[in-house]
Amino acid sequence: LAKTTQPISMDSYEGQEVNITCSHNNIATNDYITWYQQFPSQGPRFIIQGYKTKVTNEVASLFIPADRKSSTLSLPRVSLSDTAVYYCLVHNTDKLIFGTGTRLQVFP
Amino acid sequence: DTGVSQNPRHKITKRGQNVTFRCDPISEHNRLYWYRQTLGQGPEFLTYFQNEAQLEKSRLLSDRFSAERPKGSFSTLEIQRTEQGDSAMYLCASSLGGSGTDTQYFGPGTRLTVL
Repeated sequence: LAKTTQPISMDSYEGQEVNITCSHNNIATNDYITWYQQFPSQGPRFIIQGYKTKVTNEVASLFIPADRKSSTLSLPRVSLSDTAVYYCLVHNTDKLIFGTGTRLQVFP
Repeated sequence: DTGVSQNPRHKITKRGQNVTFRCDPISEHNRLYWYRQTLGQGPEFLTYFQNEAQLEKSRLLSDRFSAERPKGSFSTLEIQRTEQGDSAMYLCASSLGGSGTDTQYFGPGTRLTVL
């Protein structure tokens, strides 16, 4: 299973765009990239999933370059409620391997 | 609420006691997963079911741990002879199944404290 590397923490202010980059140099051809969000004392919540290029949904965008060795989760105009831990996962099976994630703190 | 539910939300027990947690997945989801999460770490995979069949178990799932999904609906996770190292958040998730990249929907978790 591919190992992912992401920043331990990030700070931002309300209204700013936040980009969290994840490195996955050993990604396999059949691996997908999935991001989850987790608030304290809650289970992770699915944000977005992609294979290549760009994926956008109502909450985020996911940018994946052609070599797929990294991916960037983009959160437009964050609010205080976006303060959470964000996990990047690379997988092709049901067994999700979570790292320690990126702790995003949004300030007013 | 039609999401994944878990009971109890909190459990405090003394070392050596047995505990059982329940997970009710989203209806019609064929796959059900159990994870464990300790403070400051991401969730760790424990096991998963396709309907009533347990398809994979992690090495983290020692002999004291047993999971069942008898009718392919709800699942239980039992820990026998609890140890302080079992203190963690136990998370359940479910997915439609059929693809390794199906979205897994997580429940709120059961926080276990072993004294």
